[in-house]
Amino acid sequence: DTAVSQTPKYLVTQMGNDKSIKCEQNLGHDTMYWYKQDSKKFLKIMFSYNNKELIINETVPNRFSPKSPDKAHLNLHINSLELGDSAVYFCASSQGRGYEQYFGPGTRLTVT
Amino acid sequence: RKEVEQDPGPFNVPEGATVAFNCTYSNSASQSFFWYRQDCRKEPKLLMSVYSSGNEDGRFTAQLNRASQYISLLIRDSKLSDSATYLCGNQFYFGTGTSLTVIP
Repeated sequence: DTAVSQTPKYLVTQMGNDKSIKCEQNLGHDTMYWYKQDSKKFLKIMFSYNNKELIINETVPNRFSPKSPDKAHLNLHINSLELGDSAVYFCASSQGRGYEQYFGPGTRLTVT
Repeated sequence: RKEVEQDPGPFNVPEGATVAFNCTYSNSASQSFFWYRQDCRKEPKLLMSVYSSGNEDGRFTAQLNRASQYISLLIRDSKLSDSATYLCGNQFYFGTGTSLTVIP
């Protein structure tokens, strides 16, 4: 049973395109997150939702828009993709704020 | 200043050695801290939670020093399988990760 799943696992696309990454958790957790891990391996938080409400919105370009249709899902839509968006994007969930996180397998995005 | 700072290493240690990693944090209001292990091309996985002064699990010991605002991870009797990147963090932010290679 996959706890946190992401689709797709790999995404190769051209500059200027719009793409979405989906995330689902079946742990019954209240809080979900999106992280970006670049080539230097730094794991940087982008967004966090608690019970479908946005609680963290780091300095992310507004080309990135998260959407949480329900507690179990947190999707990430990216408009006008740029070369610098190439990275691995991890979704995670936790029981609530302050609890340990469980990560999805990651989506490796390559923008050409 | 970053919320969590961590020495990136790399640490190269022989099997059986004891190795320690430290992280410092800037937000004194942070209540909970975590150590995660990340293998190459994999997702981070929880190694230990640190809610109070410390936590021990087999060969691994994590400690929290609120006065000095740092957390540490001690690995005793290192195994080859301990080779990975170790990330420390609070509920939202992570350090840059510390790379550990255990050498036969």
